[in-house]
Amino acid sequence: DVKVTQSSRYLVKRTGEKVFLECVQDMDHENMFWYRQDPGLGLRLIYFSYDVKMKEKGDIPEGYSVSREKKERFSLILESASTNQTSMYLCASSQSNQPQHFGDGTRLSIL
Amino acid sequence: ELKVEQNPLFLSMQEGKNYTIYCNYSTTSDRLYWYRQDPGKSLESLFVLLSNGAVKQEGRLMASLDTKARLSTLHITAAVHDLSATYFCAVDNQGGSEKLVFGKGTKLTVNP
Repeated sequence: DVKVTQSSRYLVKRTGEKVFLECVQDMDHENMFWYRQDPGLGLRLIYFSYDVKMKEKGDIPEGYSVSREKKERFSLILESASTNQTSMYLCASSQSNQPQHFGDGTRLSIL
Repeated sequence: ELKVEQNPLFLSMQEGKNYTIYCNYSTTSDRLYWYRQDPGKSLESLFVLLSNGAVKQEGRLMASLDTKARLSTLHITAAVHDLSATYFCAVDNQGGSEKLVFGKGTKLTVNP
């Protein structure tokens, strides 16, 4: 079974902090994704990556950056956290033309 | 820009009843996914629909795809409480980028 592991289930940070969310997958998938999930808005794509060191902006990239130095790891970075970035963050991975497999999510609170 | 609309967004039904969730999308696509999310949990893949007329069934859930109408349905037969969850459809955004656009989800509650 595919395993997508997010480093934290719950995280509390302060406004202005730099925040790192980590995601690791164990199935050698090419593609990795970061979403945020908010009530009433569904899942919105922040960034995705289809290869090491490659990244593309999703629908809401502002205020975020990503890093993919190794195939199995995809990091989401909040450069200067703000309260409107309080959300559930979901990481996913996939092989081309296959369903995405999701991690358990990180519930991030910015105070 | 691809838009995906699900309806209803909330659905409360009694055990034993049938119902259908609809997923409309705005531009051509030939790949559609259905996911399930239980409260506090992550998304689990249910179905992948790859071509016009595709039908997939698993237990009390059946999904179909009409690419000409840009419509997918998720039909629930004789609902049971265990089906209570939020169901999302997601449509491939074409262009070979692997991007999916998700609907807002349908929160299904099955009452005893």
